[in-house]
Amino acid sequence: DAGVIQSPRHEVTEMGQEVTLRCKPISGHDYLFWYRQTMMRGLELLIYFNNNVPIDDSGMPEDRFSAKMPNASFSTLKIQPSEPRDSAVYFCASSLFPGVRGYTFGSGTRLTVV
Amino acid sequence: DAKTTQPNSMESNEEEPVHLPCNHSTISGTDYIHWYRQLPSQGPEYVIHGLTSNVNNRMASLAIAEDRKSSTLILHRATLRDAAVYYCILRDDAGNMLTFGGGTRLMVKP
Repeated sequence: DAGVIQSPRHEVTEMGQEVTLRCKPISGHDYLFWYRQTMMRGLELLIYFNNNVPIDDSGMPEDRFSAKMPNASFSTLKIQPSEPRDSAVYFCASSLFPGVRGYTFGSGTRLTVV
Repeated sequence: DAKTTQPNSMESNEEEPVHLPCNHSTISGTDYIHWYRQLPSQGPEYVIHGLTSNVNNRMASLAIAEDRKSSTLILHRATLRDAAVYYCILRDDAGNMLTFGGGTRLMVKP
């Protein structure tokens, strides 16, 4: 099992550009989570999906952020337009319900918006 | 959501046991106690969880107070690779989300 796979590992973009982060969850996991981590705010849950359906997006900072899960093996987090304050490490995680074994996190995407 | 309180940082010597405390005085009867750790430049990693009884696995032990208002993660023999931020999190039986606090930064000295 390759675990949760995120791409790219690093992304540097200019302010105003569109950024797309990608995640492949562990096969068979029916929950997928997107988190953001900054020094100031720590780990914040942005949105999570159950069986490809968004369940709670209350953590999404604003309309510039959107997330999709077109199938059980792929999810994207898009920022359009990007701003310097979006610079952070973005983690994707997956789990089985009720997540008795816990979440499995990917290695993250470090986003820098200049 | 019930909150947890952890020390900001702790130090340990290599090959000695480490006891990481967590207070959760407002815990409810259906809250599970989860521990995760985050090694430098990596995503968080599941360590252990429990409800009422003490738990052991290959990574650590979890000791839960009888009144469940506190718990302790025990690393039996710290190694340099155990240097990480350790998060204590409460998760409702029906809940799907994990809310991370500040955690405890564990430093291990050779």
